[in-house]
Amino acid sequence: EAQVTQNPRYLITVTGKKLTVTCSQNMNHEYMSWYRQDPGLGLRQIYYSMNVEVTDKGDVPEGYKVSRKEKRNFPLILESPSPNQTSLYFCASSKFFGTGGSPLHFGNGTRLTVT
Amino acid sequence: AQTVTQSQPEMSVQEAETVTLSCTYDTSESDYYLFWYKQPPSRQMILVIRQEAYKQQNATENRFSVNFQKAAKSFSLKISDSQLGDAAMYFCAYTGTASKLTFGTGTRLQVTL
Repeated sequence: EAQVTQNPRYLITVTGKKLTVTCSQNMNHEYMSWYRQDPGLGLRQIYYSMNVEVTDKGDVPEGYKVSRKEKRNFPLILESPSPNQTSLYFCASSKFFGTGGSPLHFGNGTRLTVT
Repeated sequence: AQTVTQSQPEMSVQEAETVTLSCTYDTSESDYYLFWYKQPPSRQMILVIRQEAYKQQNATENRFSVNFQKAAKSFSLKISDSQLGDAAMYFCAYTGTASKLTFGTGTRLQVTL
């Protein structure tokens, strides 16, 4: 089944403790991206990747890192989480993006709480 | 920068009735795409419908249709014959030349018996 798999689904951590949220897609998509969803703000892009070894900042990249060493994987790293990073996170992928208008396929989300 | 505005934080519709969710956007681009995504309580993001800006014909998907007014920069979603399973948060989204989707703040739709 074609899908974007995110893990974990829920995560509770403490301030400053490094964590990684994994994301994997099995559709051979070129484009992958991370979003965070906050009430009243919709979804905002954190980072994106157009291809392997190519990543770029989105609208809210501060406090996050990503890597794209393989086409299928795009982990999100919080090296020193803070309470303002408590949010719902989504990984998404697309065959081509931007001018192609190919729709995004989303993972099921990771609810992160930082205390 | 492009912006997407959903001015209705919450809407309610009776089962079997029709409801329209509003969305406006601001852009200087001529080539772009618009989307409606549905987010049920399971929080999964589900694509409902897609519209290419260069197409004048409004997109439809079964009970879902859009009213795309390019000059007015308006992109509303009409849900006909509403069902209990339509209850969800609905997000309008835009993409043009930038490598991202720009989302609105969402409209929560309640479906009542």
